[in-house]
Formats: sequence, structure tokens, C-alpha cells
Amino acid sequence: GAVVSQHPSWVICKSGTSVKIECRSLDFQATTMFWYRQFPKQSLMLMATSNEGSKATYEQGVEKDKFLINHASLTLSTLTVTSAHPEDSSFYICSALLAPSTDTQYFGPGTRLTVL
Amino acid sequence: AQTVTQSQPEMSVQEAETVTLSCTYDTSENNYYLFWYKQPPSRQMILVIRQEAYKQQNATENRFSVNFQKAAKSFSLKISDSQLGDTAMYFCASLIYNQGGKLIFGQGTELSVKP
Repeated sequence: GAVVSQHPSWVICKSGTSVKIECRSLDFQATTMFWYRQFPKQSLMLMATSNEGSKATYEQGVEKDKFLINHASLTLSTLTVTSAHPEDSSFYICSALLAPSTDTQYFGPGTRLTVL
Repeated sequence: AQTVTQSQPEMSVQEAETVTLSCTYDTSENNYYLFWYKQPPSRQMILVIRQEAYKQQNATENRFSVNFQKAAKSFSLKISDSQLGDTAMYFCASLIYNQGGKLIFGQGTELSVKP
């Protein structure tokens, strides 16, 4: 149980285009999901907290107009990277809190984004 | 501010031996959780072990155990009988109870298990 999926697993896009990444909790409901960014050999950096039915909360320094987050249902959150540039190339990971627990996050397998 | 520090960027261990990964944290809160996550080359984050701060007993999960020293704010991970499949990045993380479930991660320790 407690499986989180991400789609796509990898994506290559041209500079200036937008890319959408989906995060789904497959066998449980998640009122809260998180989006992380990870560069090679580095730790996970929290970008934003996504709550179902409300606006996402972004961490300091993360551009909310560039990284659009939508959490429209209890099993799906999406991250859209708008007007992507090569510096946005990274590994993006989502996680979900297993309700009613508020202390254990389950992680998706990640999405590798390469912007040419 | 809540911080987590892993001071060992890389470690290696021979197969079947025991290795300990260090982690220190800083928080002014009383109710919190501590975690060790494993990230193998596939980059899938896997929960290894979880410790509630109010519990004095150290958590164990098969070959994995922790040494939780609350006063010293130390939370080390011991891996016994190391296996090749234990090769991965290991992240220590903390979470403050009732603050939205946000995890604060350490920098990570890259563990190599050698045959």
C-alpha cells in the first residue's frame, strides 16, 4: 500500500515551452502533497506544499508564477513548469501524506526534466 | 529554525559488516519525528526507519536500527550485515508535529557497500 506515481518519468522539452508533471496517490487519499527539486548528488529541496482544494504554499525563493501547482482532487497534484529554461533542468519529486497520518510522506519515483 | 546536518558526505563498508551513519538536528520543539530515507540509484525515496521523539526506545527495522540521543540531538543509523543492495544515498530528516507535515532533510550520505 501507500504507492505514489509520477508521470512522465522523464521529459525533454525546448526552451520556452511548458511542461506538466502529474503526481498520483494510487491507493490512498492525500489531502497534502509536496513537490521537491533535486540536483545531482544533492539533497531534496522543498518547492511547495500542495493542499487539496486550496492554493499551494511556496517556499521562499520559488517563483509561484513559474511553477504552477494544482491539487484538484484527493489523489492528484500537478506541477507545471512554465516557459522552461535550461536552468530548470532537474529531477522533480513529489510526495504525499497518508491521511489521517500527518507524519509519514510517501514518495513518487521522480521526473527527470531536461530543457534544451 | 529547524536544521538537520549529516557530516559524512561519503562512506563505504565491506559486505556483511556494520556501518553507522551520523545525523544531528536542531529544533526548539518538543513534539517531532525523525526519519531515515534511502535513495538508491533508481532515485526512488524509500522510508528506512521512523522515530517519534517522545519515545525513548530506539526504533529498529530488521538490519536497521537507530541510536536516538534526544539531549544531544543526535540520530544515527546503524546498518548491520551490510548488503550490496544497501548501496544508496541516505538522508536524515525531521518533521515537527502539527506543522503541515513538512520534512527537513540533511545533506545526505552516499554509502557504498563493497563486495
